[in-house]
Amino acid sequence: GENVEQHPSTLSVQEGDSAVIKCTYSDSASNYFPWYKQELGKRPQLIIDIRSNVGEKKDQRIAVTLNKTAKHFSLHITETQPEDSAVYFCAASTGGTSYGKLTFGQGTILTVHP
Amino acid sequence: SAVISQKPSRDICQRGTSLTIQCQVDSQVTMMFWYRQQPGQSLTLIATANQGSEATYESGFVIDKFPISRPNLTFSTLTVSNMSPEDSSIYLCSVTDGSYNEQFFGPGTRLTVL
Repeated sequence: GENVEQHPSTLSVQEGDSAVIKCTYSDSASNYFPWYKQELGKRPQLIIDIRSNVGEKKDQRIAVTLNKTAKHFSLHITETQPEDSAVYFCAASTGGTSYGKLTFGQGTILTVHP
Repeated sequence: SAVISQKPSRDICQRGTSLTIQCQVDSQVTMMFWYRQQPGQSLTLIATANQGSEATYESGFVIDKFPISRPNLTFSTLTVSNMSPEDSSIYLCSVTDGSYNEQFFGPGTRLTVL
């Protein structure tokens, strides 16, 4: 089955800096890659996603890039703010009989210092 | 996106007992899933709740331990049976409309087994 590796496990940045989180996946059939933000005690919230027919997607301060050849994708947060502090999870999903099933990375604890 | 609720939000149970968690969505959805998030860990898919048929379980999860029902397109239940302290986790349901793979999570049920 699919395996998703996420790095780093913790990331500490100063407010205004950029943050980058990277994930690799094993199943070349994976075609959907969402990113979730989970604040303490809250549910995971979908913040951005990308599909395999697109190389990059941006939404204000966040962007995701996908390299299908290398089987990795990354989350980029620019101009970080203290409210960006949370745990971020990447995930991968395939179609077919596994449609909708998400395999998650291990998570990255992002801390943005004021 | 759909509004998802779960009951109970939290519970403390004795070992050997069972707890049924409910997931209610305010609109009909194609797919519903159940995930487990152990303390400080990532999310792991337990099963896909299939409407009108038996759930599809992931490796390591069995129907006798985690029976699931999905009587219609807006409701599902997960039962954690014969609980042990190792079952202490957050249990989350999620839904996808099927059109775009976008998956949204319920608020979770925090279970503590003594």
